[in-house]
Amino acid sequence: DAMVIQNPRYQVTQFGKPVTLSCSQTLNHNVMYWYQQKSSQAPKLLFHYYDKDFNNEADTPDNFQSRRPNTSFCFLDIRSPGLGDAAMYLCATSRAGPNEKLFFGSGTQLSVL
Amino acid sequence: AQKITQTQPGMFVQEKEAVTLDCTYDTSDQSYGLFWYKQPSSGEMIFLIYQGSYDEQNATEGRYSLNFQKARKSANLVISASQLGDSAMYFCAMREWADKLVFGAGTILRVKS
Repeated sequence: DAMVIQNPRYQVTQFGKPVTLSCSQTLNHNVMYWYQQKSSQAPKLLFHYYDKDFNNEADTPDNFQSRRPNTSFCFLDIRSPGLGDAAMYLCATSRAGPNEKLFFGSGTQLSVL
Repeated sequence: AQKITQTQPGMFVQEKEAVTLDCTYDTSDQSYGLFWYKQPSSGEMIFLIYQGSYDEQNATEGRYSLNFQKARKSANLVISASQLGDSAMYFCAMREWADKLVFGAGTILRVKS
């Protein structure tokens, strides 16, 4: 029944070693989001896709990239993870429009050693 | 400028009592949506309740109600008959036509037995 699926649940990587987090959805929503959430803080939007249109937040570091090969899948690539990138990464999907709620995945907890 | 403000970092409530979590927002859009999400220690983001900017009646979902005061730009969450399982982080969020969901800083709620 899971509608937004994130893999893996926990990811450990080494400092500077590229890592990819994945997200898939069964809802056929046209908007997909990646949020970064550090401990006891609010989720911070990194970027979102409206269909294939990519929207990057102004303060998202270049170290973070994303791909959306089709409606169902979205990937977050961290090219050279630093210690400060250790966080929970949340994927979410929704229909377009201000009245539509976001459906969140369970998140991937990233540790950087 | 901060779009969503939650002024209560932490709240305590006695089991079976009601509690109000405050949220104020700032927008120049006429059409927007206000959302409350619950995040337990497991990390999942659970949708609770939604209020549209054009809705004249306050939203209710079971034990959750939203006290929407448009002129004051406030959207407070009221939880009635608190349960131990309500202990969690609560986020107020707003979505405008840009499709981004922006979160407030959150309020940690602790329910005491």
